[in-house]
This record gives sequence, structure tokens and C-alpha cells, in this order.
Amino acid sequence: DQQVKQNSPSLSVQEGRISILNCDYTNSMFDYFLWYKKYPAEGPTFLISISSIKDKNEDGRFTVFLNKSAKHLSLHIVPSQPGDSAVYFCAASGTGANNLFFGTGTRLTVIP
Amino acid sequence: EPEVTQTPSHQVTQMGQEVILRCVPISNHLYFYWYRQILGQKVEFLVSFYNNEISEKSEIFDDQFSVERPDGSNFTLKIRSTKLEDSAMYFCASSGVGGGRGELFFGEGSRLTVL
Repeated sequence: DQQVKQNSPSLSVQEGRISILNCDYTNSMFDYFLWYKKYPAEGPTFLISISSIKDKNEDGRFTVFLNKSAKHLSLHIVPSQPGDSAVYFCAASGTGANNLFFGTGTRLTVIP
Repeated sequence: EPEVTQTPSHQVTQMGQEVILRCVPISNHLYFYWYRQILGQKVEFLVSFYNNEISEKSEIFDDQFSVERPDGSNFTLKIRSTKLEDSAMYFCASSGVGGGRGELFFGEGSRLTVL
């Protein structure tokens, strides 16, 4: 039962270009979405979040877009840097829930 | 910067043995979580804990699992009789805000290998 899906297991991007990571969800009760970054041998690190009352949230090089009607969100990283190479997890939660549902992750490789 | 710490970083155990994974959450956080990630798979929710009791748990968190906050700083996950399929990376997390709204701060994980 995969309520949060990241259909691209990997993505390679040239340094300086835009990285776009996609995430789809099935549960219409989800109303809060987060992106986490994970390096090998480390725990996930919070990147950016968005509430369902918004369709865009920006933090420096990172922007998250939410399309509620399509149940789709994306993370844009621009410009991409080699240090951005990591696994990116999309996560979602619903009102009253006390846990996050994670996607399977997308491994981003930024090529210098 | 405050961080969540987990011990051990790696534990190897025989099937059927009991395992205790330890976590020290960030000191002023009130919400605590355990997640796990089987190699190559997604990060899966196990349990959340608030006010000295379980607030939510997943189907994975069966009677073999238990959590405890034995003192004011530690948060432990016990697996009573480990199975091969319990082999995974176990992540502890804490948050200052509940309801899945706050940023979860994760530890570096404890890798459990069941032989």
C-alpha cells in the first residue's frame, strides 16, 4: 500500500542545471508535505515543507510545488550543485495523524 | 546544533534474540518516533510516542516490538524475538510539534542484521 510514490529511482543532472524531483500521493487526506534529503550512513534531513493551503514554497535554491488536483508535488533545485547528490524522500501527513508516510526515494546525482 | 543520537550504530544478532536500540532525542522535543528502512526500500513508519504512551503505530509494529522512555532522555525500541526480516536500518526521530506538522529530526540510524 504505497500512499506516496516516487516513480523515478534515480536522476542525473549537470551542475548548474535544474533538478526536478517528482512525487505523487494517493491519499486525499494528506495536507502537509515534506522533502527530506539523505546521505549514505546518515539519517534523513529535513529540506522543505508545504501545506496544502499553498501551491508553492521557496527556500533558497529549493522550491516545492504542490498540485492538489493532480495529487502531485515536485522539488526544484536550481542551480544544482555536486553537494546536492543524495537520496531525496518525499513525505506526507494528514490532519490528526502523528506520522509521516515516505516515498521510496530518488537518488540525485549532480555531475560536476 | 542539537541532534538525535542513536546506539548502537550496527548490531548483529541471531534470529530469536532480543535487541534493544537506543535513542537520545533532542532535549526539548516531546514527540518521538521510530522508522525503519529495509535495504533498497522506502522509509517505513513504526511508531510514534507522546506523553509516555504510544500515540500511533503501524501494522509492522506487532507484539514483538515495544518502546519505552525509561528516563528523561532515552527512548528505546525493543524487538523481543528477532526475525530475519527485521534486518533493516532503524531510525529514531523527534519533533517539537506533533500531528506530522513539524520537522522530524532523525538520528543517523542503527543498522540491525539478523542472522
